[in-house]
Amino acid sequence: SQKIEQNSEALNIQEGKTATLTCNYTNYSPAYLQWYRQDPGRGPVFLLLIRENEKEKRKERLKVTFDTTLKQSLFHITASQPADSATYLCALDPDNYGQNFVFGPGTRLSVLP
Amino acid sequence: NAGVTQTPKFRVLKTGQSMTLLCAQDMNHEYMYWYRQDPGMGLRLIHYSVGEGTTAKGEVPDGYNVSRLKKQNFLLGLESAAPSQTSVYFCASGPEGQGYQPQHFGDGTRLSIL
Repeated sequence: SQKIEQNSEALNIQEGKTATLTCNYTNYSPAYLQWYRQDPGRGPVFLLLIRENEKEKRKERLKVTFDTTLKQSLFHITASQPADSATYLCALDPDNYGQNFVFGPGTRLSVLP
Repeated sequence: NAGVTQTPKFRVLKTGQSMTLLCAQDMNHEYMYWYRQDPGMGLRLIHYSVGEGTTAKGEVPDGYNVSRLKKQNFLLGLESAAPSQTSVYFCASGPEGQGYQPQHFGDGTRLSIL
């Protein structure tokens, strides 16, 4: 069956450390993968997109990698801050038609001061 | 710039009642989506639309109907609400394209079915 898994439901780290979140998928061959941030009581907000031919993508303190052989994407937040505490979701287009998306269950990150 | 607006924000229904959730976007997007989000399940696609007058089923369409009579609006209807439909419902929109575009989400409608 097709599914997306994210490494853990919750992740706690100390302020200033690097947070690493994992997104694994099975039985998909996505051309790209997206990461979103969701705060409590709010809708998800887009953060980054990485294409299958890109090994790594960076935006300020965020870095995303995409390994199509391992069927895995890693999402890193360097120099984490309490304001980074949120749930992070990965998403992919299951048929690459650009018309609908499948989301992972999310990882709730807590950055402790 | 409002983006994606969902109404109502909260609603409590009794089993068997019907209601319509409204989603409006002001970004002139072609694509619109309805998801439900349940603890541990992530976002699951209910229905989506790739343009005015079109609709298509997503992963969990049973018990829901949708309409896209105007480009900026996407309505989600529950004809006979069931407790299993208690959830947070999110609407999203996105521009037409090969999918390299992000989705823009509203802040959700929290629906409880008693």
